Amino acid sequence: DSGVTQTPKHLITATGQRVTLRCSPRSGDLSVYWYQQSLDQGLQFLIQYYNGEERAKGNILERFSAQQFPDLHSELNLSSLELGDSALYFCASSVQPGGGYTFGSGTRLTVV
Amino acid sequence: KNEVEQSPQNLTAQEGEFITINCSYSVGISALHWLQQHPGGGIVSLFMLSSGKKKHGRLIATINIQEKHSSLHITASHPRDSAVYICAVKIMNSGGYQKVTFGIGTKLQVIP
Repeated sequence: DSGVTQTPKHLITATGQRVTLRCSPRSGDLSVYWYQQSLDQGLQFLIQYYNGEERAKGNILERFSAQQFPDLHSELNLSSLELGDSALYFCASSVQPGGGYTFGSGTRLTVV
Repeated sequence: KNEVEQSPQNLTAQEGEFITINCSYSVGISALHWLQQHPGGGIVSLFMLSSGKKKHGRLIATINIQEKHSSLHITASHPRDSAVYICAVKIMNSGGYQKVTFGIGTKLQVIP
């Protein structure tokens, strides 16, 4: 157990739907990162939060949004889902933005 | 051309062999990470480097900032080292935010 908790582990949903992925960072970590890993594109950085504020944005679609709450957990919201959104979504945390990461075990999203 | 290039993409080694995985990048970076992704999907952060060399057990990571190149070495390789090894670079953009770009990964298989 890395200390970073992601729920759910697996999610199957239909096109057009909306889902929320949740991440609880390791105790003491203030920074949360979201990544998408699809079969054809490898790992892609989506977005980073530090202590509740957005710090960096990567290849995140407009249909996706995220936030970090006062208790430091983070949620990634994916809406108007398309087949191509099927992927593994990883969350990672670190003490500070430049620190080493600890990854969660990921949420496998399948859009049918 | 990708900002991060890894080689080789696939590597098969006999148990006990010394293994080198290379990562080259084309832009100035603030840090470089080596990640290990197990066949089950979980990701572990192995090293974060901004200069020099780091060692952890049988793993050694080096970086040459001037040549924009990093290597990950595995000594006395073991079948449990079989995984995908991913290089990731952090780039500070003009807005002061960090962007993370990943290599495609090197799939290593160590045969007993």
